[in-house]
Amino acid sequence: AQKVTQAQTEISVVEKEDVTLDCVYETRDTTYYLFWYKQPPSGELVFLIRRNSFDEQNEISGRYSWNFQKSTSSFNFTITASQVVDSAVYFCALSEAGDSNYQLIWGAGTKLIIKP
Amino acid sequence: DSGVTQTPKHLITATGQRVTLRCSPRSGDLSVYWYQQSLDQGLQFLIQYYNGEERAKGNILERFSAQQFPDLHSELNLSSLELGDSALYFCASSVGDGMTDEQYFGPGTRLTVT
Repeated sequence: AQKVTQAQTEISVVEKEDVTLDCVYETRDTTYYLFWYKQPPSGELVFLIRRNSFDEQNEISGRYSWNFQKSTSSFNFTITASQVVDSAVYFCALSEAGDSNYQLIWGAGTKLIIKP
Repeated sequence: DSGVTQTPKHLITATGQRVTLRCSPRSGDLSVYWYQQSLDQGLQFLIQYYNGEERAKGNILERFSAQQFPDLHSELNLSSLELGDSALYFCASSVGDGMTDEQYFGPGTRLTVT
């Protein structure tokens, strides 16, 4: 069955530290998509990245980077030189392209607190 | 601003009542999704509509129903409300009909049932 695990419920770091948010997924499909979303204190979820199962290249966008490793079924998210504005809840999600039920399976989220 | 609008922003009502939440997707998006986010259950997918037709169903209670209109806006109807229905209800939209598209979320409607 599909499953997304974000084992870190809450992480607290001091500004400018690097921080990695873990995401481990389970799927039997060979074609699937992984997502990260950010939910800042204002509440609105913001799309960050989508990655398909055939593209294992790491992605970098400014201070954000994502490490996709099929061998360990992980899609981890790293923030370099964290800033207070990065404080939010971050969700990892999984979708199987062949799943007839077409559900996006969400992790429980990791609350990231960046202290000044 | 994602381009997805939701009204109302806040709603307070009593148990047993019925409410309607409204969502307008981003321009050009054909899919609308509804989610419920509560403290103890995280983000739960309720239902998806694509171009006016129901596309996928998640953990939606029988007391809840939704529809998507010809102009693509959607409404989520919650009836016989219970205290446990208090939550943040999000609408999201995407271009295509599959869950492989990135979804763009509205600001949410916070429902409080007293």
